[in-house]
Formats: sequence, C-alpha cells, structure tokens
Amino acid sequence: SQQGEEDPQALSIQEGENATMNCSYKTSINNLQWYRQNSGRGLVHLILIRSNEREKHSGRLRVTLDTSKKSSSLLITASRAADTASYFCATVLLAQKLVFGQGTRLTINP
Amino acid sequence: DVKVTQSSRYLVKRTGEKVFLECVQDMDHENMFWYRQDPGLGLRLIYFSYDVKMKEKGDIPEGYSVSREKKERFSLILESASTNQTSMYLCASSFRGWNTEAFFGQGTRLTVV
Repeated sequence: SQQGEEDPQALSIQEGENATMNCSYKTSINNLQWYRQNSGRGLVHLILIRSNEREKHSGRLRVTLDTSKKSSSLLITASRAADTASYFCATVLLAQKLVFGQGTRLTINP
Repeated sequence: DVKVTQSSRYLVKRTGEKVFLECVQDMDHENMFWYRQDPGLGLRLIYFSYDVKMKEKGDIPEGYSVSREKKERFSLILESASTNQTSMYLCASSFRGWNTEAFFGQGTRLTVV
C-alpha cells in the first residue's frame, strides 16, 4: 500500500510560473522527503522536512508540512524548463523503510 | 560523491529464467532498498535490507528474493521471471537513521519476453 499520494498526478505550466505539488500520507511520520526524477533515471533527493518543522526552504524550493492534516506541499518558484521532471514525496516508516507516493509529473513549457 | 551503481541499464530476459539484478554502493550505507517503478503506480518497495544478511519484505515481495552477503552489495533475484515483472527497477541506499536521504542508482529497465 502506498504511504503517500501526490496531487495532481500531472501539472503543466509556463516557464516563470510557480508550481505547487501536494502530498498526503497516512501514518505518523518522523520526516517527509521530496525527490525528483528526470525521465528514465534514478531519483535525486531535494529536501527533507522533519515532523517538528512547518516550513523549509532550499533555493527556489519551499516545502511545508502540516502534520495535523498529514499533508505536505512542494512549491517551485520561477520555474525553468530544466525543472521538467517527476516529483515524489517519501516517508520513513517503522524499521526505516522508505516508501514513496505515486509522483507528480511536472512539465514546464518554454 | 556517493555512487550507487546498478549492473545493467537495460536487460531482456525470457520467461522462466532466473534473473539477478546487482546493486553496489560505495558510501558504507547500512540501508539498501529495491523498488520497482511502473507507470501510474509510482515506486513500490520490494525488499529492504538494514544490515548484512538482514532483509525485510516491502509491499510487493512476491516473486522476488534478495541477497546481501556484503555491506556494499544488494542483489535482487527473480526466481522465475514472468512478463508481469517487466518494469524499471531502482536500487537505493542510505545511512541508518530517521533523517537521512537515500541515494539512487540509474535504474535497470527489465523486459521479460
């Protein structure tokens, strides 16, 4: 069973616009992570937010976490064509299993 | 730089064959993972290992087994490949601990014919 579910499944925006992706999860977490995957490649870690944090920034990325709603969002500001990729949220369950959601496919149109 | 290396980028095998997918990491990570990725289903955890010779089942272990004889190497074994195991397989590793990031290999696209 998937721990996280991303929304929307696909998102297409114009270059320069902001992109927001959401993730909902089912169980209590210690932290939530976001990863990026370029087409046909492995995943790359973007950012980790701990359960006692509400917001975190890294460059053009902003992540929020609402543990009461069991949800997180990833905001990419001033999008670029190179941001075109799939984005996944992930959580660490008991015994340190790392589980992923289904991902959001982001397309940035030039 | 951390490196996670999967033995093959593309693989074509016949139904019924025994298939070995190898993954090696060079960062002395305790944890290693095998996932399969299918369109619309995201990444699903097959098996996870937190130490040498230790393994835990993930969400979809049926039809697969794993081996971890050395810390740096984690093998995924398809005992008798079937067409429904055609997929992208991704290996990852991480340090033990709650707040550690995972590093991924480049993936193996396996086709079973």
